[in-house]
Amino acid sequence: QKEVEQNSGPLSVPEGAIASLNCTYSDRGSQSFFWYRQYSGKSPELIMSIYSNGDKEDGRFTAQLNKASQYVSLLIRDSQPSDSATYLCAVLNYGGSQGNLIFGKGTKLSVKP
Amino acid sequence: NAGVTQTPKFQVLKTGQSMTLQCAQDMNHNSMYWYRQDPGMGLRLIYYSASEGTTDKGEVPNGYNVSRLNKREFSLRLESAAPSQTSVYFCAGGDAYNSPLHFGNGTRLTVT
Repeated sequence: QKEVEQNSGPLSVPEGAIASLNCTYSDRGSQSFFWYRQYSGKSPELIMSIYSNGDKEDGRFTAQLNKASQYVSLLIRDSQPSDSATYLCAVLNYGGSQGNLIFGKGTKLSVKP
Repeated sequence: NAGVTQTPKFQVLKTGQSMTLQCAQDMNHNSMYWYRQDPGMGLRLIYYSASEGTTDKGEVPNGYNVSRLNKREFSLRLESAAPSQTSVYFCAGGDAYNSPLHFGNGTRLTVT
């Protein structure tokens, strides 16, 4: 059973701090990694994708991938109350269609003013 | 540009009733997906269609059927609803396996 694990939280950080969200996956064949943000009562929206080891930065967001450790993380710098949401990690296995995209259960982030 | 549109937004059914959830996309995605999301369970794939004319089972297909009517439309049918099917249902579209999914706004279904 291929799995994607996330700490369910809630993770609470003060406004302006760095929020660190972590995700581990079980299948070493995984090749593509995505972070989705989901506000309460809304649909998931993609915020980051990463395909190779290392860091990828986009504005206040940085995704980090370590395939040897089977670990992917999302850092949010200068956290804002508007970042309060559930963050879903999703992992795709090599050679699969999107039918092999596995979601973690999500980490709920709360940014306190 | 509507993206991925789901109807209805809310639905209440009695046990044993049937209904079809509709999904249409105008993003020219080849692949379409139906997920359900339950508290503590995350997003689970019900069925997907990798391309027009094909459908495949996902993780939790029992009690559901799908139809890929054309490239734009992918419907999900509950033939005999059960309380265990109370959930939020999301339709999504995507393309090559490295591309992200675009989700519809969801259908909140309650089966009593």
